[in-house]
Amino acid sequence: GNSVTQMEGPVTLSEEAFLTINCTYTATGYPSLFWYVQYPGEGLQLLLKATKADDKGSNKGFEATYRKETTSFHLEKGSVQVSDSAVYFCALLYSSASKIIFGSGTRLSIRP
Amino acid sequence: NAGVTQTPKFQVLKTGQSMTLQCAQDMNHNSMYWYRQDPGMGLRLIYYSASEGTTDKGEVPNGYNVSRLNKREFSLRLESAAPSQTSVYFCASSGDRKETQYFGPGTRLLVL
Repeated sequence: GNSVTQMEGPVTLSEEAFLTINCTYTATGYPSLFWYVQYPGEGLQLLLKATKADDKGSNKGFEATYRKETTSFHLEKGSVQVSDSAVYFCALLYSSASKIIFGSGTRLSIRP
Repeated sequence: NAGVTQTPKFQVLKTGQSMTLQCAQDMNHNSMYWYRQDPGMGLRLIYYSASEGTTDKGEVPNGYNVSRLNKREFSLRLESAAPSQTSVYFCASSGDRKETQYFGPGTRLLVL
């Protein structure tokens, strides 16, 4: 079936460090891929998305590229800030489906 | 524009008690969802409603019932609470662009 696997956390980095959170997916066909972010005490919110192979989603300095050949959608940011501390969820949606499949989430903590 | 609202924010129940979690959205969205979030498990879909008058089971529907009261409201009922239902419950909604789900702030439920 369709599934999403992301690196386990927690991930702890110093401010201004480079961030990568790995995400791979299993799906037949061509799903859309997303990263959602959950700040402390809040619900999830969409961070970025990519709908086809080689698309790059970007928002708030974060980027992720849809790699069909490696079935991956890794999240990157060149210089993290304390305010980026949150839980990040990779997710996929099939065009014919009405529900999103979420990964288990990766907790990110940034030290000042 | 409140987005997605959930009540209550926090609830403590004894095993066997019943309760209803309320969710409402003011974005005129057709689709609404109930998730539970447990440590290390990410978000798991309990039930969803693709449109007013329809509901479907998600990944973990056992022990829950739902009602799509109207287009705005989607409630989740626990008829006989169990400690395994201790979790954080999130309601979400989406419009035609199903990849963008809008989440409520969550309800933290503790079953003793």
